[in-house]
Amino acid sequence: KAGVTQTPRYLIKTRGQQVTLSCSPISGHRSVSWYQQTPGQGLQFLFEYFSETQRNKGNFPGRFSGRQFSNSRSEMNVSTLELGDSALYLCASSLDGSSFYEQFFGPGTRLTVL
Amino acid sequence: AQSVTQLGSHVSVSEGALVLLRCNYSSSVPPYLFWYVQYPNQGLQLLLKYTSAATLVKGINGFEAEFKKSETSFHLTKPSAHMSDAAEYFCAVSDFRETSGSRLTFGEGTQLTVNP
Repeated sequence: KAGVTQTPRYLIKTRGQQVTLSCSPISGHRSVSWYQQTPGQGLQFLFEYFSETQRNKGNFPGRFSGRQFSNSRSEMNVSTLELGDSALYLCASSLDGSSFYEQFFGPGTRLTVL
Repeated sequence: AQSVTQLGSHVSVSEGALVLLRCNYSSSVPPYLFWYVQYPNQGLQLLLKYTSAATLVKGINGFEAEFKKSETSFHLTKPSAHMSDAAEYFCAVSDFRETSGSRLTFGEGTQLTVNP
């Protein structure tokens, strides 16, 4: 069974631009979560989607948004990029998002904002 | 709100020595607790999880953790460290609600170094 895939793996943008990251979950998984990882703030929850609906959202500004498609693939978008948005963005999928089922993480997209 | 605290951002052990990584949690409800490992330039891999079935949880690669409610702890151990165990380890607690989904709240991470 293929794992969680994220594209692109690396991305370089400049301040003020916007970016879209993609996540393909494991086949059959309906929940997709996004996390931001930085040296200073560690791993922080961005949002979680289940059946195309955002169920949970972390404490991030509105510049961070996401969506999920009917095939469970998910995208996240960051508009008006800031230097502080440089981070590793991790996507995780699980069967239904409940605590009982494991969240499988992708390799991440490393975003650098210049 | 749930939270976890990992004591020690860096732990160094000799190959063959005991590995002990500390995690304390705060939760108003019975928690689901996890340990993840992250190797350089990779995502997170689940080592083990506690879901109230048993207080001593065995995971992959010889790791285990014991849930101690009285101490609000979920420390990760491995009897004998191997060079390949060098990585960053994260303790996490899950907050799941059927109407609002779940989120993992992570500790700050512990970088494990294994010396030959």
